[in-house]
Amino acid sequence: DADVTQTPRNRITKTGKRIMLECSQTKGHDRMYWYRQDPGLGLRLIYYSFDVKDINKGEISDGYSVSRQAQAKFSLSLESAIPNQTALYFCATAGADAYEQYFGPGTRLTVT
Amino acid sequence: AQSVSQHNHHVILSEAASLELGCNYSYGGTVNLFWYVQYPGQHLQLLLKYFSGDPLVKGIKGFEAEFIKSKFSFNLRKPSVQWSDTAEYFCAAGDTGFQKLVFGTGTRLLVSP
Repeated sequence: DADVTQTPRNRITKTGKRIMLECSQTKGHDRMYWYRQDPGLGLRLIYYSFDVKDINKGEISDGYSVSRQAQAKFSLSLESAIPNQTALYFCATAGADAYEQYFGPGTRLTVT
Repeated sequence: AQSVSQHNHHVILSEAASLELGCNYSYGGTVNLFWYVQYPGQHLQLLLKYFSGDPLVKGIKGFEAEFIKSKFSFNLRKPSVQWSDTAEYFCAAGDTGFQKLVFGTGTRLLVSP
């Protein structure tokens, strides 16, 4: 079984809709991250969390929000989706070494 | 803040050719450096990492990288690539103090059989 799972794997939604992407992990890690990947831009950090009560904005947090429901779950929400949020979204976790991260399979989101 | 540059956006090689992908980082202090790989349709996985010590680090699948502090570089190398090395490669640096990674823009490698 995968250590880091993301649901859904693919989603097409319309402009203005609210959407939630979910991430779950079985690695027992405290640190969790949300990234988006765009062609030519690499991975950019949206939000990260070091434990349930510690949530931090990344470099591109505008238009996104997160919820850390439990150590194992970290959700990313787009309150009102817009087309330039079309991207591949990755969740990642890390243990004591914050830099060695384990990635989920990604969610491909298309906003029309 | 840390930044990472990868100058090669697309690389095309024939099998058995040697590979070197460039990576430069901006921070001059203690730095942790990584290469991640993303095979087609798969998630990112760690290829190799450098924290300290021997500047030549070896990773999985025959890859290695050399940390050259004077050049702020951490280039990825492989003596002889295979078709299965076709993937996107990301260099990353640990953002000291904030416990997060900063990624480069990635290099797409296509190895033709």
